[in-house]
Amino acid sequence: VVMTQSPLFLPVTLGQPASISCRSSQSLVHSDGNTYLNWFQQRPGQSPRRLIYEVSNRDSGVPDRFSGSGSGTDFTLKISRVEAEDVGFYYCMQGSHWPPYTFGQGTKLEI
Amino acid sequence: EVQLVESGGGLVQPGGSLRLSCEASGFAFSDYYMDWVRQAPGKGMEWVGRITYKLESYSTEYAASVRGRFTISRDDSKNSVYLQMNSLNTEDTAVYYCARDDHGSYSAWGQGALVTVSS
Repeated sequence: VVMTQSPLFLPVTLGQPASISCRSSQSLVHSDGNTYLNWFQQRPGQSPRRLIYEVSNRDSGVPDRFSGSGSGTDFTLKISRVEAEDVGFYYCMQGSHWPPYTFGQGTKLEI
Repeated sequence: EVQLVESGGGLVQPGGSLRLSCEASGFAFSDYYMDWVRQAPGKGMEWVGRITYKLESYSTEYAASVRGRFTISRDDSKNSVYLQMNSLNTEDTAVYYCARDDHGSYSAWGQGALVTVSS
């Protein structure tokens, strides 16, 4: 499954919203009825951190300014008000079709 | 607290071998599949391979790019998973992460181990 993110570079202004799109080459609805679409944040020099799983579930400790939505093949990560600590790369990843799990190319968010 | 700590990275010549280790803590390690994911310099994420748990006979799967050269194993008594890398080439240069596989997601990642293949 090919995951395609856009944009690949996202310049934003502090306090303004931001949105990243992720499209899959086939539906991510699993045979069990769940949709295993994840979003990860990778800050500079750090390992990835999961923000969102199963399209819209926020991980513990993730600020509520992050939200995920979508279905089928089209998904979106939104940041309601960008903060300085949000700088880094964002990756979508599908876990519905294996092997393997596949990642988007990554979106670089800069202030 | 869930933690994954990799070790064993370093510089190796083309054709050489290296073994990475990943020690887990804070969760029931034996209940989880464990994966290795790598990230080449300035590049995105690439799945390397996976090992299942005892109930599934510790079966393994590998990316085509490493199949036949890399081997994943685990020791549940040590809460550890390993990546044995043989016949390394420059394209294997990357940060290697171990990750806890939550059946459709990775809820925990290690800090990464840098492997540099160069003469």
